[in-house]
Amino acid sequence: GDSVTQMEGPVTLSEEAFLTINCTYTATGYPSLFWYVQYPGEGLQLLLKATKADDKGSNKGFEATYRKETTSFHLEKGSVQVSDSAVYFCALSDFLGGSEKLVFGKGTKLTVNP
Amino acid sequence: KAGVTQTPRYLIKTRGQQVTLSCSPISGHRSVSWYQQTPGQGLQFLFEYFSETQRNKGNFPGRFSGRQFSNSRSEMNVSTLELGDSALYLCASSLEGPETQYFGPGTRLLVL
Repeated sequence: GDSVTQMEGPVTLSEEAFLTINCTYTATGYPSLFWYVQYPGEGLQLLLKATKADDKGSNKGFEATYRKETTSFHLEKGSVQVSDSAVYFCALSDFLGGSEKLVFGKGTKLTVNP
Repeated sequence: KAGVTQTPRYLIKTRGQQVTLSCSPISGHRSVSWYQQTPGQGLQFLFEYFSETQRNKGNFPGRFSGRQFSNSRSEMNVSTLELGDSALYLCASSLEGPETQYFGPGTRLLVL
């Protein structure tokens, strides 16, 4: 079935550093791709999404580009803040039996130090 | 607009018991999905309901079941609890599918 692989964490950065979290996927069709963020003690929040090849999703300074040729959707941010500390999940929407479900990567924990 | 709410937020049960978790979706949303989150397995899809019908089910044993009411509120039930059922259970709602899912804060279940 479809799957998502994202880089193992944890990732520790200093404030204002550049962030990349790698995400690759395996899918038989043309899924939509998502990045979700989970802050401590909370549920998941949609950070950004892209629905077709070469689309770029962006939000709050984060960006990710849907690369069909490399089956990737890497998350980037030019200058991280302490408030970006959270767990980040890459996901794809998997169409199955007339309804879609999200398939998630394992998550990458990011800690940003002042 | 109120977000997705889940009750209870925390729950402690013992092996062999059963548990029912509740999810109230965002007003107007008809699709409700449930996910189990554990440190070892990550986020795994349990099932999805749309207009009171289960549209999709993940790879979980029959001890895990759910339902959806006419007002789109959903419940999931786990019978004969096992230690491995300890997890954060997340509910997500959307208008029709997972393209834009909004997640609740989760119910943290501890099985002793």
